[in-house]
Amino acid sequence: NAGVTQTPKFRILKIGQSMTLQCTQDMNHNYMYWYRQDPGMGLKLIYYSVGAGITDKGEVPNGYNVSRSTTEDFPLRLELAAPSQTSVYFCASSYSPGGNSYEQYFGPGTRLTVT
Amino acid sequence: SQKIEQNSEALNIQEGKTATLTCNYTNYSPAYLQWYRQDPGRGPVFLLLIRENEKEKRKERLKVTFDTTLKQSLFHITASQPADSATYLCALVLYSSASKIIFGSGTRLSIRP
Repeated sequence: NAGVTQTPKFRILKIGQSMTLQCTQDMNHNYMYWYRQDPGMGLKLIYYSVGAGITDKGEVPNGYNVSRSTTEDFPLRLELAAPSQTSVYFCASSYSPGGNSYEQYFGPGTRLTVT
Repeated sequence: SQKIEQNSEALNIQEGKTATLTCNYTNYSPAYLQWYRQDPGRGPVFLLLIRENEKEKRKERLKVTFDTTLKQSLFHITASQPADSATYLCALVLYSSASKIIFGSGTRLSIRP
């Protein structure tokens, strides 16, 4: 199993540009998440999904959009990039709550710079 | 307001000693508390979960305690090694929304030989 994969690893965007961060998991997890992590800070939840076709906002959703058309994929869309969106973005997945650990499996991250 | 706080300063200890990291929370009702390890440039990796009705959990050289009265968890690494150097994050799984996990900002731990 590859686990959770993210592309790209790095990206530099100009203000106002758009892009999609890709996330795929091969563990058949129902739950998927997008976080951002600013330097020296914890993970802030952007959006999450409890299954294909179902998404919900997290703590910091403004400026982002998501979709979940399949169990495996959970792309994150930035429509009009702003310098405040410079961060490292992590995708994660987990089994449905009710399992023993609520363990989240994280991807390697995408480092995004907006200038 | 709701807060989850970890040691803001980095922790530097001598190899072989026990490292103790603290996680405090305010105005949350967690059902579970998790600890993750994060190495530079990588995503967090799950280490342990402790339930609210468990006082202590162990896994190899790791020990976690959970005191819901003090609203605090302690994370211990015994016989620490330089390879244990990393940032450690605590995270709350809430009764109100088990699908969302709240992460602390992490404590950077350095073990010197």
